[in-house]
Amino acid sequence: SAVISQKPSRDICQRGTSLTIQCQVDSQVTMMFWYRQQPGQSLTLIATANQGSEATYESGFVIDKFPISRPNLTFSTLTVSNMSPEDSSIYLCSALRLGGQGEQYFGPGTRLTVT
Amino acid sequence: RKEVEQDPGPFNVPEGATVAFNCTYSNSASQSFFWYRQDCRKEPKLLMSVYSSGNEDGRFTAQLNRASQYISLLIRDSKLSDSATYLCVVNREDSGYALNFGKGTSLLVTP
Repeated sequence: SAVISQKPSRDICQRGTSLTIQCQVDSQVTMMFWYRQQPGQSLTLIATANQGSEATYESGFVIDKFPISRPNLTFSTLTVSNMSPEDSSIYLCSALRLGGQGEQYFGPGTRLTVT
Repeated sequence: RKEVEQDPGPFNVPEGATVAFNCTYSNSASQSFFWYRQDCRKEPKLLMSVYSSGNEDGRFTAQLNRASQYISLLIRDSKLSDSATYLCVVNREDSGYALNFGKGTSLLVTP
């Protein structure tokens, strides 16, 4: 299975600022995703990070708020822009397992608190 | 109706017990089904895929009923280390490999 790392693991930010989260996979993968897990909730997909093109966003998520980059097959970033306390959440990246049935492996997550 | 629904629990069971979790999904076109395990403050980890014929991995057995859009997970001989939240996960046919997650069922195995 792919090993996925994320940086930072946690951060406390002031409202109105932005935070960029990095996701690194130890092998080339075709598809990468970004999820949010709010307290007591399950995971919600934010977007699919497409290599070399704009990300595909889910309903309720927009590029201006969550710009995503994926410059190559092993790396992606998610920026949480103009943060408010409602953005306090765990942000997780994932990668699609090659040759599987659609399983995804997850990074350890970034725990964000906005004050 | 939510895409994936689970009984949130918690399920409190003694060591050695057998426990079953259930899950229903709304998209009849879904083709891929999984159970993930999530420990407190950790990322979800794949426990097992669920196949149409049902499948077993050690103490864990997963079943799929497409007609009823129902998935189950059976854990036999529960261990303390099985304590976690179990997430039922279904792919979204309308969005490639995107996944829909249930809210999870909490399991606590006690000595």
